[in-house]
Amino acid sequence: AQKVTQAQTEISVVEKEDVTLDCVYETRDTTYYLFWYKQPPSGELVFLIRRNSFDEQNEISGRYSWNFQKSTSSFNFTITASQVVDSAVYFCALSEAWVGDSNYQLIWGAGTKLIIKP
Amino acid sequence: KAGVTQTPRYLIKTRGQQVTLSCSPISGHRSVSWYQQTPGQGLQFLFEYFSETQRNKGNFPGRFSGRQFSNSRSEMNVSTLELGDSALYLCASSRAQVTDTQYFGPGTRLTVL
Repeated sequence: AQKVTQAQTEISVVEKEDVTLDCVYETRDTTYYLFWYKQPPSGELVFLIRRNSFDEQNEISGRYSWNFQKSTSSFNFTITASQVVDSAVYFCALSEAWVGDSNYQLIWGAGTKLIIKP
Repeated sequence: KAGVTQTPRYLIKTRGQQVTLSCSPISGHRSVSWYQQTPGQGLQFLFEYFSETQRNKGNFPGRFSGRQFSNSRSEMNVSTLELGDSALYLCASSRAQVTDTQYFGPGTRLTVL
């Protein structure tokens, strides 16, 4: 069965530290997509990245980087030199191509609350 | 390009009333999904619409319903409100396919007294 696990409920670090948020997924499909979203206190979910199962290259965008490892079914997210503005809840999600559009829904992790202290 | 918009942003209702929430997707997006988010249950999928048809529905009672118009705008309705319906209701739009990226609106925060 498909599932997304974010085992870290809450992480607290001091500003400028690096922090990694873990995401482990389960799927029967060979074609799937993984997503990361950020939810700041305002509530809106902000899209960060989409990665398909055939692209295992790591992605870097400024202070953000993502490590996708199919061998361990993980898609971890690292923030380098964290800032107070990074404080938010971060969600990992999975969509599978095999379910078809009629069964469309994203499978969400429970989220990790990240607190960056000044 | 304008993002996903949701109205109203905040709503206070009393038990037994009904409520209608509105969502305007990003231009060109034909799929609209609705989610309920509560502290205890996290993000829960309500339903998804594409070309005015409901393609998928989450595990919610029949009091929760929705529809989509020909311009892809969507509404969701909750009848006979209960205290437990207090939540942040999020709308997301995507182009069409199950694997397309969903872009979210700011949400409607519903409080039921």
